[in-house]
Amino acid sequence: DAGVTQSPTHLIKTRGQQVTLRCSPKSGHDTVSWYQQALGQGPQFIFQYYEEEERQRGNFPDRFSGHQFPNYSSELNVNALLLGDSALYLCASSLGTALSTDTQYFGPGTRLTVL
Amino acid sequence: ILNVEQSPQSLHVQEGDSTNFTCSFPSSNFYALHWYRWETAKSPEALFVMTLNGDEKKKGRISATLNTKEGYSYLYIKGSQPEDSATYLCAFIGGTSYGKLTFGQGTILTVHP
Repeated sequence: DAGVTQSPTHLIKTRGQQVTLRCSPKSGHDTVSWYQQALGQGPQFIFQYYEEEERQRGNFPDRFSGHQFPNYSSELNVNALLLGDSALYLCASSLGTALSTDTQYFGPGTRLTVL
Repeated sequence: ILNVEQSPQSLHVQEGDSTNFTCSFPSSNFYALHWYRWETAKSPEALFVMTLNGDEKKKGRISATLNTKEGYSYLYIKGSQPEDSATYLCAFIGGTSYGKLTFGQGTILTVHP
C-alpha cells in the first residue's frame, strides 16, 4: 500500500497565476481532506470531499476550489495566487463514514512558493 | 473560532529523559482528539485517537491522557530517544465537524544524544 501520495512535491508560481495540486488517497479510503500549513502554524482545514462532493469547508476564499474523481483521487485548485498562499498543502484520506474517530492519513505535502 | 493550544512550543531534552506536553481545547462540544507525530520531510503519522474522558492510550514508550471536562490532553514520552525528535500535533474535532481537524500549532521536540 503506497499510502497517501501527493504531487508535485514542490512548486513555484508567481502572483496571479493558478495552480493545481493532486492527491491520491490510501487504498480503500473514499474521503479526502485538504489542509494548508503556513510557516509556524498548525495545519488549517480547507475542505473535505466525499462521494465527489464538497462535504465541509473551512474559512478559505472561493479562490480555493477542489474536485474529487470517481477513483477518489482529488485536486486542489487555487486561482489568482497571492504571496500569502505560500505554504505546505497537505492531503489526508479516511473512510467516509463521517465518524470523527476515524484516523486521517496524511500525505507528505506539496510545498507551494508564490513569488 | 476554535482555539487549540499546545505548550510548550519547543522542548529540548537529553536522551533517556522522560517528557510531556499539553494540548488545550474547548471543553464544550467535544467529540474526539487526535495526536500526530511529524518528522521532518515525512508525512504526519497518527499516534492516537481519543474520545472518552479519562481515556489513556499507549503505544510503546508514548502514552496520552484525556480530560474532556477541563479541556486538555497530555502526551508523555518515557525514556526519550533521538528518533523521537519530531513535531507533535494535536487536533480537536467538535460534535458536528464530520472529521474536520482543528490543529494546535505543535510542540517541537528535540532529543539530544
